[in-house]
Amino acid sequence: DAKTTQPPSMDCAEGRAANLPCNHSTISGNEYVYWYRQIHSQGPQYIIHGLKNNETNEMASLIITEDRKSSTLILPHATLRDTAVYYCIVRPDTGRRALTFGSGTRLQVQP
Amino acid sequence: SQTIHQWPATLVQPVGSPLSLECTVEGTSNPNLYWYRQAAGRGLQLLFYSVGIGQISSEVPQNLSASRPQDRQFILSSKKLLLSDSGFYLCAWSGLAGDYEQFFGPGTRLTVL
Repeated sequence: DAKTTQPPSMDCAEGRAANLPCNHSTISGNEYVYWYRQIHSQGPQYIIHGLKNNETNEMASLIITEDRKSSTLILPHATLRDTAVYYCIVRPDTGRRALTFGSGTRLQVQP
Repeated sequence: SQTIHQWPATLVQPVGSPLSLECTVEGTSNPNLYWYRQAAGRGLQLLFYSVGIGQISSEVPQNLSASRPQDRQFILSSKKLLLSDSGFYLCAWSGLAGDYEQFFGPGTRLTVL
């Protein structure tokens, strides 16, 4: 699976958009980009995933660059409850189904 | 709807004692099942995954083992715990090929003294 690089921490003001970057320069053609988050002392929670098109759901938007070497998770209106560690993961759509978690980005939403 | 259960929620065990953590899934059939461990302040590490009854793949060498005696039951065991086995143990499930999301249980926090 391709390796991802994320900043260790970020701050965001409540009500503002949180933009979390992820580099995955070695991503291959059949690998999807996934985002999960982990609130303290809980199991990770799926947020969104995509292959090459931008995706949006009720939680967030995922913007993937045209060369697919990086992506950005956007939380449009961050709340205090969005404070968590956010993991960017790449994984092929076939074969091994397990997720490889890195260190993630610790997002602190400030009141 | 599907739910995943883990127990116990917390556990304190002495070094050298045995371990058995249980995970069960409801509301789905033939799930892929996973055991992850998270050491304090670290990311998640995949320990085992299973695609069916009796089928276990180990990701890292360790003194832990896993078993899947039933379709929706996944057990993590050890004969003798080490201090380094302390951590937050998470069980997860996913559907068959084409189902992209993994669903995590509430976790078991294990402290080995």
